[in-house]
Amino acid sequence: AQTVTQSQPEMSVQEAETVTLSCTYDTSESDYYLFWYKQPPSRQMILVIRQEAYKQQNATENRFSVNFQKAAKSFSLKISDSQLGDAAMYFCAYRRTFGNEKLTFGTGTRLTIIP
Amino acid sequence: DARVTQTPRHKVTEMGQEVTMRCQPILGHNTVFWYRQTMMQGLELLAYFRNRAPLDDSGMPKDRFSAEMPDATLATLKIQPSEPRDSAVYFCASGLVHRLSSYNEQFFGPGTRLTVL
Repeated sequence: AQTVTQSQPEMSVQEAETVTLSCTYDTSESDYYLFWYKQPPSRQMILVIRQEAYKQQNATENRFSVNFQKAAKSFSLKISDSQLGDAAMYFCAYRRTFGNEKLTFGTGTRLTIIP
Repeated sequence: DARVTQTPRHKVTEMGQEVTMRCQPILGHNTVFWYRQTMMQGLELLAYFRNRAPLDDSGMPKDRFSAEMPDATLATLKIQPSEPRDSAVYFCASGLVHRLSSYNEQFFGPGTRLTVL
């Protein structure tokens, strides 16, 4: 069974600084997707970024980028130029490419932005 | 602006009562997921459907939970009888699977916060 681990329950960063959230996962599959979701206080789940396992290039979306280390089964999220609106719970998630499409989530990291 | 809608947004009920949660997937989407979020278990899949047929409901307690899609525009999740341990946020998500692509983004609804007293 696949598992996703987020070892940082809480993180904080000064506004405009950079912060990195960690995620590791375990799977025997070679093809899969990895995601970072943001959940603000409204509870809405918002997709931040997606990475396909077959791609060596790290995904980037504006101020958000990932460091995908397939051999180490590590998938961290870097947020640059942190803004107050980035304050939220961040969940790392895994999905097989073929077969069952369920998302397996980590336990989340609560990110606080310090003005 | 297409989005997944869920009703009700909040539900407070007493133990033993029946609870029905509804989800309207994005028009045209053929896959619907139900997830549950609790403090203890985090986010976990309960069931998901493709073209209204269940593909995986292994995460759902069968004795009290049932999920259906009466038609392509409505998914329901019922709990009967409800118990305090069912208190959680229930999310519906929908996606569109193409025959030529393995990827379909899951668009989440706002969730239903259920409290069972």
